[in-house]
Amino acid sequence: RKEVEQDPGPFNVPEGATVAFNCTYSNSASQSFFWYRQDCRKEPKLLMSVYSSGNEDGRFTAQLNRASQYISLLIRDSKLSDSATYLCVGDHSGNTPLVFGKGTRLSVIA
Amino acid sequence: DAGITQSPRHKVTETGTPVTLRCHQTENHRYMYWYRQDPGHGLRLIHYSYGVKDTDKGEVSDGYSVSRSKTEDFLLTLESATSSQTSVYFCAISERGGNTGELFFGEGSRLTVL
Repeated sequence: RKEVEQDPGPFNVPEGATVAFNCTYSNSASQSFFWYRQDCRKEPKLLMSVYSSGNEDGRFTAQLNRASQYISLLIRDSKLSDSATYLCVGDHSGNTPLVFGKGTRLSVIA
Repeated sequence: DAGITQSPRHKVTETGTPVTLRCHQTENHRYMYWYRQDPGHGLRLIHYSYGVKDTDKGEVSDGYSVSRSKTEDFLLTLESATSSQTSVYFCAISERGGNTGELFFGEGSRLTVL
């Protein structure tokens, strides 16, 4: 079982919609989580970190639920430019490299 | 954007031939990583480096070797390429290791093994 799992989608939503992605992790010792964004045929780039108390960056909100071992990303007022693959990322433990989920593809439609 | 370049960006080769991919950074970051990305599997770690001459294996290291003789360069070698190694390879760098440092990725190297 992969350590970080997410729904591959695709999620097809109209402009202006609110969409949420969930990601589950299997390692209860994991401490840090992130969302990366990857455009088609491009490299991944950090979208936002996920803090225990939840955090918001403009239209994007990330939350962590340690009890249920999942993290979420909420996108409000979707834009065409939000179309991309969103990668859920967590640490294995300590100083080991980050583990990536397979990604969730989002298509925002006009 | 972080100063990280990969070469070659595209390569087609035949089964059994050796292939070396190069990752070069100008950020003086300590940590460097090689990932491969395949449909249905996402990004998987091949090898990583936490300093000059210090490397360790990742999730899918079989069939790959790496070397880091200086801070700015991290080489990934396929000693004898196989069709299963057809993939997009991403190099990444970070200033801090593990869960504390943002990863900056190169643009990727698309390798096709016939």
